[in-house]
Amino acid sequence: NAGVTQTPKFQVLKTGQSMTLQCAQDMNHNSMYWYRQDPGMGLRLIYYSASEGTTDKGEVPNGYNVSRLNKREFSLRLESAAPSQTSVYFCASGRQGAVEPQHFGDGTRLSIL
Amino acid sequence: GESVGLHLPTLSVQEGDNSIINCAYSNSASDYFIWYKQESGKGPQFIIDIRSNMDKRQGQRVTVLLNKTVKHLSLQIAATQPGDSAVYFCAGDTGTASKLTFGTGTRLQVTL
Repeated sequence: NAGVTQTPKFQVLKTGQSMTLQCAQDMNHNSMYWYRQDPGMGLRLIYYSASEGTTDKGEVPNGYNVSRLNKREFSLRLESAAPSQTSVYFCASGRQGAVEPQHFGDGTRLSIL
Repeated sequence: GESVGLHLPTLSVQEGDNSIINCAYSNSASDYFIWYKQESGKGPQFIIDIRSNMDKRQGQRVTVLLNKTVKHLSLQIAATQPGDSAVYFCAGDTGTASKLTFGTGTRLQVTL
């Protein structure tokens, strides 16, 4: 049972570099989400995709872009990384319109120097 | 908007005791709540959920209580075990878990 798979698990970047975080789910879910988690804080929504072909901004979208490549895959791109984007990034998926929990991957730990 | 928070950042309990983790929410339109457990280096793992038409829901060793009057929910863990040590998050949504709002988390420490 793979569930939600995120790659890479760890990454160190220099300020100004670009990076794409990958996420894939095998649960046939319509909706996918990207969150960031900072120390002492809960998860904050960056972007989400309610269904294939649609994406919407969440609470903290600045500095990020997303692509819903197909039903399974949802990527997050940092075009010009900044130290403030050092965080743990989580991808999640769920069934749109269903009252049930989202399922999370194990995260990508990103450090920007 | 939704604001979800927890009362205590850290809770220390002895093995075998019951644990109670609290959470308050601000949006009275919230009608679906989830408790997640997050172990070190892992993503949040679903524990239990509850809809606003319920006051209580039980799972295996866990119970969630919802008080809509004071906009408060709690997670009770019976006979706490070392494996329960983790950070626990509550999350709320107004409908379909499409856009969850997470609290900051409570770290549960189980002492032997």
